[in-house]
Amino acid sequence: DTAVSQTPKYLVTQMGNDKSIKCEQNLGHDTMYWYKQDSKKFLKIMFSYNNKELIINETVPNRFSPKSPDKAHLNLHINSLELGDSAVYFCASSQRQGAWSYEQYFGPGTRLTVT
Amino acid sequence: QQPVQSPQAVILREGEDAVINCSSSKALYSVHWYRQKHGEAPVFLMILLKGGEQKGHDKISASFNEKKQQSSLYLTASQLSYSGTYFCGTVGPYGNKLVFGAGTILRVKS
Repeated sequence: DTAVSQTPKYLVTQMGNDKSIKCEQNLGHDTMYWYKQDSKKFLKIMFSYNNKELIINETVPNRFSPKSPDKAHLNLHINSLELGDSAVYFCASSQRQGAWSYEQYFGPGTRLTVT
Repeated sequence: QQPVQSPQAVILREGEDAVINCSSSKALYSVHWYRQKHGEAPVFLMILLKGGEQKGHDKISASFNEKKQQSSLYLTASQLSYSGTYFCGTVGPYGNKLVFGAGTILRVKS
C-alpha cells in the first residue's frame, strides 16, 4: 500500500511540449506539496496545497500550474517545457498545514528529462 | 534562506561515528532531518522543535540549539544502511515552508 504515489516515474520529452505529473496520497493528509530536486540534489519547494487551497506558491515560472481536484490528489502541469526543467519532481504530503511540526511523506519522484 | 550543512561529504567505516551540522542565519522554529538514498525519495528521520530539545531513535539522534540557530545529527556505530544523503530542513517562526540545506553525503564502508 503506497502512501504517496506519483505517475509517471520517468518522463522524457522534447522542448516546447506540455506534460503532466500526477500525485495521490492515501494517508488522509490535508496538505500536499511539490518539490523540485535539481542535478545538484538541491531540494526546493514549489507549491503547497491545503485542502485543495493553494497556500505556497514559490517564484516558479507560470508555465507550471498545480491543480488539486481533491485533498488526496495534487497534479502538476508544465507548459512549453525547457531544458532547465529537467529535474526530479517529488510530491509530498503532511497531516496538517504548518510545516514546523509535521513530518512530510515523499512520493517516489518523477524524473523529467527535457531534450 | 537556505541553511548551511557541514560537512559536504563524509566517509566512514562500519562502527564509526559521525556528526552532521546544520546552521541558519535566521531564527528557527523547528529543524527537520531527512535521509535520501540514491534514486529514492527523502525519508523522514526526526523533527526538533524550539526549546533546545534532543531526540533520538536507535543510534541516530539530534540536538537543536535555538539560540545558536544550529542543529546537529549524531550517527553512532554506523551501519552500511546509514549511507545516503542527509538533509536538514528549517522552518522560521512565521514560516509555513520547509527550506532544505544542500545535503551531506554519507558513505559507510565495510
